[in-house]
Amino acid sequence: DTEVTQTPKHLVMGMTNKKSLKCEQHMGHRAMYWYKQKAKKPPELMFVYSYEKLSINESVPSRFSPECPNSSLLNLHLHALQPEDSALYLCASSLGTFTSSGNTIYFGEGSWLTVV
Amino acid sequence: RKEVEQDPGPFNVPEGATVAFNCTYSNSASQSFFWYRQDCRKEPKLLMSVYSSGNEDGRFTAQLNRASQYISLLIRDSKLSDSATYLCVVASLMDSNYQLIWGAGTKLIIKP
Repeated sequence: DTEVTQTPKHLVMGMTNKKSLKCEQHMGHRAMYWYKQKAKKPPELMFVYSYEKLSINESVPSRFSPECPNSSLLNLHLHALQPEDSALYLCASSLGTFTSSGNTIYFGEGSWLTVV
Repeated sequence: RKEVEQDPGPFNVPEGATVAFNCTYSNSASQSFFWYRQDCRKEPKLLMSVYSSGNEDGRFTAQLNRASQYISLLIRDSKLSDSATYLCVVASLMDSNYQLIWGAGTKLIIKP
């Protein structure tokens, strides 16, 4: 079972709605990530937080707004999304941002987002 | 050339057979390598890290060939439950951070 918990598992929202995806981990990991995955594609990195500070933003549109309230929580605020934003949104965490053989990324089960 | 390339498959393999697939990477300075498996409509899960000396975990063996810049995954005595997409992941240093570059995945179907 994954130790990264994401809610909600499924979300349907209209293009004018504001919603949030939530992620929580209690493994003491100091790096947390948001990925987006479309069908039959690999995960695409959106944001990386390292020690609660945003360290990587992969040119994601401003309609996606990440927030890291503390070292265990990561949110993704959604506003004015487009139908093409429909995808699986994966939260992940790792012990640190520098990846080494002992520093792997663990994923949550994901939130399936449909924008109508 | 893509940074990380995999044969998308699908590989259709009878149960009990041995199957192997490769993943090539373009950045010769890449540091760490991983295989993840992803079941349909599920999250990716780490299958194994890949070490320079090669490593084995039960029926699974991973190899790294730095000279030719590829990693491989061998599955022996394949089970129906091995059916999944196998994603190759390469960690490379970019702008002072190690970033993970994902292959597009190889789909494996084990048939009874």
